Amino acid sequence: GMPVEQNPPALSLYEGAESGLRCNFSTTMKGVQWFQQNHRGRLITLFYLAQGTKENGRLKSTFNSKERYSTLHIKDAQLEDSGTYFCAVGGASSGSWQLIFGSGTQLTVMP
Amino acid sequence: EAAVTQSPRSKVAVTGGKVTLSCHQTNNHDYMYWYRQDTGHGLRLIHYSYVADSTEKGDIPDGYKASRPSQENFSLILELASLSQTAVYFCASRLDRGEQYFGPGTRLTVL
Repeated sequence: GMPVEQNPPALSLYEGAESGLRCNFSTTMKGVQWFQQNHRGRLITLFYLAQGTKENGRLKSTFNSKERYSTLHIKDAQLEDSGTYFCAVGGASSGSWQLIFGSGTQLTVMP
Repeated sequence: EAAVTQSPRSKVAVTGGKVTLSCHQTNNHDYMYWYRQDTGHGLRLIHYSYVADSTEKGDIPDGYKASRPSQENFSLILELASLSQTAVYFCASRLDRGEQYFGPGTRLTVL
């Protein structure tokens, strides 16, 4: 299967609502980076975590290396939150510390 | 704030032509990466480098070369561009372990 799976593939929320995105990975990884890709195609880093939980305003992310998953929680969704959200996990495989990306969750926030 | 710039931001090339994409970082980071993104998908690693004058193959290196003439600069070279190389290309840099900093992307169309 895919080394990094993101769920759901697509999500629609009304303004003010909240939801969570999940990222599962098949092998132990050292860190996760969450991105929002906006309509211009730019990748905006939301979080980088090597362990535990981080919060930033309406966003919260958790990384559990042992159980091989990470989550991104969005609360009080705003129109500008629309976009595609990618998780990417990193490890020391082959010495590159490359990021392995999931296929993304397309989020639409509706008024 | 980490700064990674890419040029050109978009390019149209003809099949069989040579294309060079450039990346410049001002962060004194050791690692630099080239990824490609196909429509509706996450990013995949093409080449990376951890020191000047040295490059390594990533997951999808076929049809691409890379050059790292200095710590700040990392180029991706398509000697014979093909239709299948139409994609958005992202450059990233990283100091050691941890967060990668991405450039704005280059949209390449091969006709």
